[in-house]
Amino acid sequence: DQQVKQNSPSLSVQEGRISILNCDYTNSMFDYFLWYKKYPAEGPTFLISISSIKDKNEDGRFTVFLNKSAKHLSLHIVPSQPGDSAVYFCAASAEAGNMLTFGGGTRLMVKP
Amino acid sequence: DAGVTQSPTHLIKTRGQQVTLRCSPKSGHDTVSWYQQALGQGPQFIFQYYEEEERQRGNFPDRFSGHQFPNYSSELNVNALLLGDSALYLCASSLVVPTGPSYEQYFGPGTRLTVT
Repeated sequence: DQQVKQNSPSLSVQEGRISILNCDYTNSMFDYFLWYKKYPAEGPTFLISISSIKDKNEDGRFTVFLNKSAKHLSLHIVPSQPGDSAVYFCAASAEAGNMLTFGGGTRLMVKP
Repeated sequence: DAGVTQSPTHLIKTRGQQVTLRCSPKSGHDTVSWYQQALGQGPQFIFQYYEEEERQRGNFPDRFSGHQFPNYSSELNVNALLLGDSALYLCASSLVVPTGPSYEQYFGPGTRLTVT
C-alpha cells in the first residue's frame, strides 16, 4: 500500500518556464512534508518542506503548496533551469524524528 | 562542515553472503536512519538508531540488523543475501534539538550493493 504517490514518472519543461511536480498521500497522520532532489550517483538533497499547519512555503525559486483536504501537495519551480534536471522525491512524516515515507519520484528534464 | 559519509561506494556480493555497510552522520547529528532504494523506486525506510538503540523499524526482515556507536556512526548488516537485496543503501542523519527531534534528514551518497 503506497502511502505517498507521485503519479508522473517524468516531466519535461522548457528552460525559463514553470515546473510543477505533484504528490498525493493517503495517511491522515502525516503532518510534515518534504521534497528532495536527487542527481545520479548522489544521495537525495533536501530542498524544501512544509508543515501541515501551513498551505504554502516559499524559498527562492521553489514553492511548495499543500492541500490537506485533497491530501495533495505540489512543488513549483519558477523559472526552471537546466541544472534543475534531476529526480524529485516527495516524502512525508507522521512525527518529528520519525521515518520518512517516500513517493516513487518524478524525473524532471529542463530543456535549454 | 562534513556531510553524511558512507562506505564503501560499491560492493558486489554473492547470494548467501553477509555484508556490512558503514555510515558517519553529518557533524553534530545524533540520529541515523537507513533506507533501501531499489532501481526506479523511492527510498524505503529500514530502521533508525538513536542513543545506540534501534528506535524505529520498517517492514524489513531480521536479516537486516544495525548498530550505532558512541560517536553516532552506524553500521547496517545484511545476512544471507538474496538477489532482491541488490539496491542503493542510503544513510540519513538528523538531530534531536532541545525542542525535540527535527523532521529534516540529510542523506549520504549511498552504497550500491549488487548481489549475484
